Amino acid sequence: GAVVSQHPSRVICKSGTSVKIECRSLDFQATTMFWYRQFPKQSLMLMATSNEGSKATYEQGVEKDKFLINHASLTLSTLTVTSAHPEDSSFYICSARNHLAAGNTIYFGEGSWLTVV
Amino acid sequence: KQEVTQIPAALSVPEGENLVLNCSFTDSAIYNLQWFRQDPGKGLTSLLLIQSSQREQTSGRLNASLDKSSGRSTLYIAASQPGDSATYLCAVSIGQAGTALIFGKGTTLSVSS
Repeated sequence: GAVVSQHPSRVICKSGTSVKIECRSLDFQATTMFWYRQFPKQSLMLMATSNEGSKATYEQGVEKDKFLINHASLTLSTLTVTSAHPEDSSFYICSARNHLAAGNTIYFGEGSWLTVV
Repeated sequence: KQEVTQIPAALSVPEGENLVLNCSFTDSAIYNLQWFRQDPGKGLTSLLLIQSSQREQTSGRLNASLDKSSGRSTLYIAASQPGDSATYLCAVSIGQAGTALIFGKGTTLSVSS
């Protein structure tokens, strides 16, 4: 079964509103989680690294004030897309690192489809 | 800057054929390499993880090899089936501390019955 749960799987929001996506590690503690974005027929692009108890590290070109990341517990990271616009419509997917597993295994959530209308 | 390239971008084969997917990366200083499967509109399923010290990993009909010095990995799928149709992504991790993965654009495989 899934070890990383992402919610919601699909969300439609109006332009200008904010939407929150949750990423939970189900049976392990994840000090580090990663958020990716995938446009149609493109690969996954890292947006930010979410660190429990500290500020997220954003990749170049990703607006930290627009994509708010909170990693308040060892099992939950949230991504909030603020003042969403149609160009933010994309597939957002998170991953969590189980540092206690062999090889620092990384598990992915099932992704969240965001459509901004 | 690490870049991951996958060739071919798309592949169509008849059922039963053996096939090879290719992945190359520009910086050989990787921690591990992972192959994923992604079905349309879905998340990722990890297929095989190869540590930098390993040469290959096998799981069922899948075999992945790694040549770190040349920056190459291949995913071999034996006796392909229609259910293998999906996009296959190659990704490298460049830090022991569990840094994020850098992905290729994937190879979209279609296996016809």
